[in-house]
Amino acid sequence: NAGVTQTPKFQVLKTGQSMTLQCAQDMNHEYMSWYRQDPGMGLRLIHYSVGAGITDQGEVPNGYNVSRSTTEDFPLRLLLAAPSQTSVYFCASSRDRGRGEQYFGPGTRLTVT
Amino acid sequence: RKEVEQDPGPFNVPEGATVAFNCTYSNSASQSFFWYRQDCRKEPKLLMSVYSSGNEDGRFTAQLNRASQYISLLIRDSKLSDSATYLCVVNPLGQNFVFGPGTRLSVLP
Repeated sequence: NAGVTQTPKFQVLKTGQSMTLQCAQDMNHEYMSWYRQDPGMGLRLIHYSVGAGITDQGEVPNGYNVSRSTTEDFPLRLLLAAPSQTSVYFCASSRDRGRGEQYFGPGTRLTVT
Repeated sequence: RKEVEQDPGPFNVPEGATVAFNCTYSNSASQSFFWYRQDCRKEPKLLMSVYSSGNEDGRFTAQLNRASQYISLLIRDSKLSDSATYLCVVNPLGQNFVFGPGTRLSVLP
C-alpha cells in the first residue's frame, strides 16, 4: 500500500498561471480532502469529497477547483495562481466523513511569484 | 471561541521529562478524537486515537473528558525524537475533521 500520494513535491508558478496538484489513495477511502498550511497557522480545509462524483467547499475554497471522478483520485486545480496561494498543500483521506483516522500525503510546497 | 483550542506553547523540556498537552473543543457532537504529530515541513501523522476510557501506547497516554470537552496527551520519559508539533483533532459525526492550531514541543539534551 502506497497510502496517499501527491505530486509534485515542489512547484513554482508565476502569477496568473494554472496548474493541477495530483492526489491519489489506494486504501479505498470514501472521504478525501485538501488542506493548505501557512507558516504559524493551522490546517485549513479547501475542498472535500465524500465519494466519487461528490465534492463540496471547505473553509477557504476561493481560487481552487476539485473533481472526484474515481474513488482513488482527487486533483486540486489552481485556476489563476496568486501570491496568496503560496503555501504547503496536503491531501488526506479517511474511510468516511466523521469516522476513522485521516491519513495525509507528503504535501506539495507551492510558491507563486 | 475557536472550535478546537490547544496550549499555545512552545514547550521546551529536558530529555526524560514528562510533559502534558491540553486541548478543548466546543462542539459537543464531536465523536472521534485524535492526536497527530507533525515534524517540521512534513505531513501530519496519526499518533493515537483517543477513546472514552483513555488509552496508552508505550510512553504516550491520551485521556478524554466528554463532560468537560477536554482531551489530554501525556508523554513520559521524553526523547529528543519527540520534538514536533502535536495537533489535537476532533471529528463531529458526519462532519469534517477539525484541527487545533498545534502545540510545539522541543526536547532538549
